[in-house]
Amino acid sequence: NAGVMQNPRHLVRRRGQEARLRCSPMKGHSHVYWYRQLPEEGLKFMVYLQKENIIDESGMPKERFSAEFPKEGPSILRIQQVVRGDSAAYFCASSPLKLGEQYFGPGTRLTVT
Amino acid sequence: EDQVTQSPEALRLQEGESSSLNCSYTVSGLRGLFWYRQDPGKGPEFLFTLYSAGEEKEKERLKATLTKKESFLHITAPKPEDSATYLCAVQAPGETSGSRLTFGEGTQLTVNP
Repeated sequence: NAGVMQNPRHLVRRRGQEARLRCSPMKGHSHVYWYRQLPEEGLKFMVYLQKENIIDESGMPKERFSAEFPKEGPSILRIQQVVRGDSAAYFCASSPLKLGEQYFGPGTRLTVT
Repeated sequence: EDQVTQSPEALRLQEGESSSLNCSYTVSGLRGLFWYRQDPGKGPEFLFTLYSAGEEKEKERLKATLTKKESFLHITAPKPEDSATYLCAVQAPGETSGSRLTFGEGTQLTVNP
């Protein structure tokens, strides 16, 4: 059973460009979460989605950030007009149930130049 | 607001030297406490889930325990391959926020041969 897949693994963007991060959950998992790990900081929750629904986006910045989990295809975290402060590792996790352990992908390391 | 504090921030052990990592938490109505291992450049790897005070889980050289206010990760006779950052996270009640994990800053463990 393949684990959580994320791509790209590394992404370099210039200030003002858009970044799109993709996440395919584990087979049979319908709950997807995005977390951000800033340099020298801990993992912080951003958003929780189920198929076609955003359940909890309380950890996501109000501007420039959006997330979706369409009926078909991977979950997408989109960052518009990136700034240097967006440079971080972005991790996706999935779970089979609303509560309980979450399984993480390898992350996407975003560098904004 | 849920809070998770891990100590120490960093720990150096000699191979075979047993020790414990601490995770103290402040949350109203714990739904679950989770331990993860994170290697440099990788996503967190799930280790244990604990649900109620008095519960214990074991896996190879690791043993996790839970009280009403804290959890311990005991490492018995560690080996160099146990070197990693160990993360503690909690899940707390909430109709929509109850699925998110709140992480501590982690303990960076180094085991010298």
